[in-house]
Amino acid sequence: QKEVEQNSGPLSVPEGAIASLNCTYSDRVSQSFFWYRQYSGKSPELIMSIYSNGDKEDGRFTAQLNKASQYVSLLIRDSQPSDSATYLCAVNSNYQLIWGAGTKLIIKP
Amino acid sequence: DADVTQTPRNRITKTGKRIMLECSQTKGHDRMYWYRQDPGLGLRLIYYSFDVKDINKGEISDGYSVSRQAQAKFSLSLESAIPNQTALYFCATSDLSGRGVNEQFFGPGTRLTVL
Repeated sequence: QKEVEQNSGPLSVPEGAIASLNCTYSDRVSQSFFWYRQYSGKSPELIMSIYSNGDKEDGRFTAQLNKASQYVSLLIRDSQPSDSATYLCAVNSNYQLIWGAGTKLIIKP
Repeated sequence: DADVTQTPRNRITKTGKRIMLECSQTKGHDRMYWYRQDPGLGLRLIYYSFDVKDINKGEISDGYSVSRQAQAKFSLSLESAIPNQTALYFCATSDLSGRGVNEQFFGPGTRLTVL
């Protein structure tokens, strides 16, 4: 059974600080990794994709991938109250996405 | 804007009724997916379709059926709804021809309640 694991949280971070979200996966041959943001009652929204080991930055977001350790992370710099949401990690495996259950992030003003 | 739409957005029905949820997309993507989401359980794949003639069961297909009427339309049916099918249902699309392998884009969701 291919799995994606995330800490369910909630993760509470002060406004302006760095939020760090983590994800581990079991399928060693996976090549594509995604972070989605989901506000309560809304649909998931793709915020980052990463395919190679290392860091990928997009504005305040940085995705980090370590295939040897089967580990993906998302850093959110200068956290804002609007970043409060559930963050879903997804891993491409045999043309399907395997989803983590999500980490709830709360940014405290 | 290219988009994924779902109808209805909310539906309350009774046990034993047949329900159809519809999904349409203007993204031009070949691949379409139906997921359900329950609190604390994340997204679970019900069915997926790689083109009009290709339908595949997902993790939790029992009690559901689908129809891919056209490249842009993918419908999910509950033949005889039961209360544990109460959930949030999402349609998604993806296009493997680009660099973003299997980046999926979601519709707004349908909140279904079965009494």
